[in-house]
Order: sequence, then structure tokens, then C-alpha cells
Amino acid sequence: TQLLEQSPQFLSIQEGENLTVYCNSSSVFSSLQWYRQEPGEGPVLLVTVVTGGEVKKLKRLTFQFGDARKDSSLHITAAQPGDTGLYLCAGGSGYALNFGKGTSLLVTP
Amino acid sequence: EAQVTQNPRYLITVTGKKLTVTCSQNMNHEYMSWYRQDPGLGLRQIYYSMNVEVTDKGDVPEGYKVSRKEKRNFPLILESPSPNQTSLYFCASRFSGVGNTQYFGPGTRLTVL
Repeated sequence: TQLLEQSPQFLSIQEGENLTVYCNSSSVFSSLQWYRQEPGEGPVLLVTVVTGGEVKKLKRLTFQFGDARKDSSLHITAAQPGDTGLYLCAGGSGYALNFGKGTSLLVTP
Repeated sequence: EAQVTQNPRYLITVTGKKLTVTCSQNMNHEYMSWYRQDPGLGLRQIYYSMNVEVTDKGDVPEGYKVSRKEKRNFPLILESPSPNQTSLYFCASRFSGVGNTQYFGPGTRLTVL
């Protein structure tokens, strides 16, 4: 199993602040995905990145895949309470999709 | 509506009483898998299936069985549940390529007393 380390594990911020969440591994992945999971529900895919150095934007969320395809970051601009949830990164190689343990984000009004 | 369904959503049972958690998807996905999610341990894959009659172990297969007789269904069987199998279980499916969107079911919260 290829390990993915996510940091920070927990993050509590005020509405309007910016934040960055990191996903790191010593392994190279053919693709990397970010999911958000809300309490009592299954994870939902936010984005897939496949090319080293790739940057994708989804409204206030910016995702970057590292040049060496071993790491990724998720940046949220002007966080809102609706961004609260567990953010999971998942690295793909072959058939396997390995998940990090997640970053739990709380955005308070 | 494209979805993955799981049943039951909640289950409390006792040690040793066989149970099955069903999973069904309506997207014609080849790949299906089961995960368990525990605090501090994240999502861990139990079993996966690349297509009908093709299954393989994930990271934590002990105490679980699966079958894939039809493309849409992938039940998880606990033949003799134990308290350490108390967890939140998710079924997921996708098309074969690892970069494809993986759709998760709503989860089954299992408590084994």
C-alpha cells in the first residue's frame, strides 16, 4: 500500500480566511483525486489531477499536483461555513486507489 | 439518477451472527470496492472487484467475504462478526481506469456487541 500523508489533520478557521491542505507521499501516482466528505455521508469527488504541475480551479478551491506527481495541495480562498467537512486525497496507481487519513476542516461564521 | 445504494444503513448485531451488507450500482461500472472508515485510521480498502467473478483482497480483508455474481451487485459478508468489525462501511464503484470518478454509497454503520 502506498501511503499518503495529509496535513494538517485538523483545521479550525474563521469565515473569510484562506487555507492550504497538503497531501504528500514518497510514491509516484498516475493520478491524484480530492474528495470531500460530510458527516453521515460518503466521500464525493472534487477533482482529479493527472499531469505533474497541473493546476485546477473549482470556484474558490485551487488544486495543484506536484511536478514529480508525489504530492498535491488544496487551497481554499475566503473559506465559508459550507466548506466544512473532511477533505481526503487519494492516489491512483494500477487498479488501486489509496486514501490519506484526511483533513477535518471547520469554518465558523 | 446515478447512484450506489447500500443496505442496511444502520445495523446493531451480536458477535458471531452472520450478516450481509448489500451494495448495488446503476452505472454499469466494472470496478467495485468495499472500505471501512475508522477514527484515526481513515478509509481502508477491504476487498475490490474488477469485474464479474473477479475479486481480490484489499488492505484489511480478514473476517470478510465478498462475491460478484452480477455486475451491479457486490455484497459484503461477515460470517462471524466480532466487536473489532464495528465500523462505518462504504461501498464504491467506478469505471476501470484509476483516474475515473469513484462514486461512494451512503455508508453502513455497523455495531457488533
